[in-house]
Amino acid sequence: EVQLVQSGAEVKKPGESLKISCKGSGYSFTSYWIGWVRQMPGKGLEWMGIIYPGDSDTRYSPSFQGQVTISADKSISTAYLQWSSLKASDTAMYYCARHLTPGTREKDAFDIWGQGTMVTVSS
Amino acid sequence: EIVLTQSPGTLSLSPGERATLSCRASQSVSSSYLAWYQQKPGQAPRLLIYGASSRATGIPDRFSGSGSGTDFTLTISRLEPEDFAVYYCQQYGSSLRAFGQGTKVEIK
Repeated sequence: EVQLVQSGAEVKKPGESLKISCKGSGYSFTSYWIGWVRQMPGKGLEWMGIIYPGDSDTRYSPSFQGQVTISADKSISTAYLQWSSLKASDTAMYYCARHLTPGTREKDAFDIWGQGTMVTVSS
Repeated sequence: EIVLTQSPGTLSLSPGERATLSCRASQSVSSSYLAWYQQKPGQAPRLLIYGASSRATGIPDRFSGSGSGTDFTLTISRLEPEDFAVYYCQQYGSSLRAFGQGTKVEIK
């Protein structure tokens, strides 16, 4: 079964760092772009960025460039989303998702989604 | 930056009725790189349609997508109880892969 399994919910204080993970299984992890999508409480979906685990080529939305870092460790089929200094406004559900089509084409829909990681930032 | 505007914000319908959801782009979406997703409360989104009109694997044929350029439509031919959810369109043809703000399909 093709699936993405994300790390568990996090509660952090403003200014702390955080790295959440997304482990792929059931497919060739290095052959598909993986992206991250933010959903703030009660709000819609926001595309944050994508990474191609085969060579770690990365693209960011301008809204998130410099605010987060997307990375991947292909040896353990895991993608990451990290913050160096969290803000209260980072409180949201974060989903990882896999591109529909294998290969280096970077423009694609997301067909497989993780279950989401809830990040709460509060003093 | 392409902005997607979905309408209506909420659609109140009964099971068995036809649902027509609109997604309008501020600029032409290249190569019909337009997808539709369904999201139920407490769940991750699910891909329904990609390439404006291709159904994703396992999606019932009561879901169909159409349109090109700046105007796209998701049609649910006969609403089943499990179809009441929020639907998002997304364009993935430009560097900023924006989502629309969503249309909630609720039971009337």
